[in-house]
Amino acid sequence: EPEVTQTPSHQVTQMGQEVILRCVPISNHLYFYWYRQILGQKVEFLVSFYNNEISEKSEIFDDQFSVERPDGSNFTLKIRSTKLEDSAMYFCASRGTGSYEAFFGQGTRLTVV
Amino acid sequence: KQEVTQIPAALSVPEGENLVLNCSFTDSAIYNLQWFRQDPGKGLTSLLLIQSSQREQTSGRLNASLDKSSGRSTLYIAASQPGDSATYLCAGGVGTGTASKLTFGTGTRLQVTL
Repeated sequence: EPEVTQTPSHQVTQMGQEVILRCVPISNHLYFYWYRQILGQKVEFLVSFYNNEISEKSEIFDDQFSVERPDGSNFTLKIRSTKLEDSAMYFCASRGTGSYEAFFGQGTRLTVV
Repeated sequence: KQEVTQIPAALSVPEGENLVLNCSFTDSAIYNLQWFRQDPGKGLTSLLLIQSSQREQTSGRLNASLDKSSGRSTLYIAASQPGDSATYLCAGGVGTGTASKLTFGTGTRLQVTL
């Protein structure tokens, strides 16, 4: 069964460093998303991406964040100059054009120390 | 702004019981409602999606309903099993096309005991 794949599963980084979280969406999907979940809190929308551009972004998605689809399969989230409060589980999701059902990856747990 | 709330926050039931999880949302302009399962430290597994034009969806022992007018959705789990223990999240889909995104509830943590 097709699935969304995220790497790495866990990343520890020092405050101020840049991190890139990677995602391989389901192959025929065209809509891509990043969400995050701070420990003990709700899952929050960060950004949506379609046709090689950002469709919508939340207030959380400030200038330290960027997304990219560098090739036909990968979808990345870059966080520049990480802060302690960026520590969270980051989820990638994708959906196809025929349905609004979103499929999520297993997440990347980011720990900023 | 869409707000999604889930009640109860936690629930413990003995194996075999039928149970109902509740989800409420503030904006009736919801486009769809999706239920997820989350195991500790894991990702989100999609369980059911209800489009706004539908009233319910069924998958195996799961049945989800949607009442836009009252701003409520329920997830019914029949004959619960210990393997059903997890956190269940509902998420309201807002916007269409490229503007669609999900607003998540707080989750209900379910424990099914032997």
